[in-house]
Amino acid sequence: ELKVEQNPLFLSMQEGKNYTIYCNYSTTSDRLYWYRQDPGKSLESLFVLLSNGAVKQEGRLMASLDTKARLSTLHITAAVHDLSATYFCAVDFPGTYKYIFGTGTRLKVLA
Amino acid sequence: DVKVTQSSRYLVKRTGEKVFLECVQDMDHENMFWYRQDPGLGLRLIYFSYDVKMKEKGDIPEGYSVSREKKERFSLILESASTNQTSMYLCASRTGNQPQHFGDGTRLSIL
Repeated sequence: ELKVEQNPLFLSMQEGKNYTIYCNYSTTSDRLYWYRQDPGKSLESLFVLLSNGAVKQEGRLMASLDTKARLSTLHITAAVHDLSATYFCAVDFPGTYKYIFGTGTRLKVLA
Repeated sequence: DVKVTQSSRYLVKRTGEKVFLECVQDMDHENMFWYRQDPGLGLRLIYFSYDVKMKEKGDIPEGYSVSREKKERFSLILESASTNQTSMYLCASRTGNQPQHFGDGTRLSIL
């Protein structure tokens, strides 16, 4: 079965702390997508990781991809309240343009 | 920037009604998708389309149909609405291996 698993599912952290969200997948995909969703809103594309070893950074978020381990990480540096949201990873279903979504990680940053 | 527009942000309908949700994208994307999102169940693919008049079932097509008469427009139809179809509906479009772009979502309530 093709699966994408994220952990943790819920993350409550203090402002100023660092943390990492993990995304494991079971397909042979070599590209991975990260999205952010604010409560009651739609999904916003954060990063597209296109190959093994890819690293992308935007502000306090950094995403990386290890296709051999079938693992992507989303690292949060010095968290701020504005980063509170749900984060999803997704990979392409093999041979199609549809996604397999991860379960999502709900992040709450406490002041 | 890609713009995916869903016709309604909020919609209230009655059980048994035929309901149309419209989605329009302005970037000539070949691929379009309909999802529903429910608490604890993540994003589930209902239908997708990879070309005009072409459609494929996703993971949960029962009770839904779709129409794609023009490339820019993808409609989701609830043939006879039921209360278990109360949900947030998200439309997305995509070209090739680029990330999917999402509309703002339609929060549909069936009474």
